[in-house]
Amino acid sequence: GQQVMQIPQYQHVQEGEDFTTYCNSSTTLSNIQWYKQRPGGHPVFLIQLVKSGEVKKQKRLTFQFGEAKKNSSLHITATQTTDVGTYFCAGGTGANNLFFGTGTRLTVIP
Amino acid sequence: DAGITQSPRYKITETGRQVTLMCHQTWSHSYMFWYRQDLGHGLRLIYYSAAADITDKGEVSDGYVVSRSKTENFPLTLESATRSQTSVYFCASTGRGGTTGELFFGEGSRLTVL
Repeated sequence: GQQVMQIPQYQHVQEGEDFTTYCNSSTTLSNIQWYKQRPGGHPVFLIQLVKSGEVKKQKRLTFQFGEAKKNSSLHITATQTTDVGTYFCAGGTGANNLFFGTGTRLTVIP
Repeated sequence: DAGITQSPRYKITETGRQVTLMCHQTWSHSYMFWYRQDLGHGLRLIYYSAAADITDKGEVSDGYVVSRSKTENFPLTLESATRSQTSVYFCASTGRGGTTGELFFGEGSRLTVL
């Protein structure tokens, strides 16, 4: 069945260091979304990528969608304590379901 | 703007009891979803609904029942709760079909089955 794998599961970084999480799908995706969940909170939508090879930026966050539309990454430059949380990718296949990755929990050490 | 609300936020029940988790949204979104979140599994879809009176199973639907008599409400019922259903449950909605719409999540309902 459809699987979306996400690595790493955990990441501890010193404040100011960069952070990257990777998402890989077993099948070609129609789109990919990224969500952030703060500790004790609910997932909040960050962005959606649709096109092959697409790159989008939001301030210090850079999102990429692979050429084959099977993988994606989220890169945060110069992390801040406000970046703490779990980042989820969610792959769409065209049907009414998004397959969520297992998430990467980011800890930022001040 | 109330958005999407879930109740109860916390629930403790016993094995074999029936439990209903409520979800209400004020945006008139067509699509609504129920996910469960467990450590190491991310978010897994239980059920979704494309409109009132239209529901469909997700990847982990066994032991759960949903209904959608009104667009704004999407209750999730555990007919006979089991310990494996201890989890955090999130309701979500979107106004766009398929998987192209941004999902708006409720605050979550933390369920413990003893």
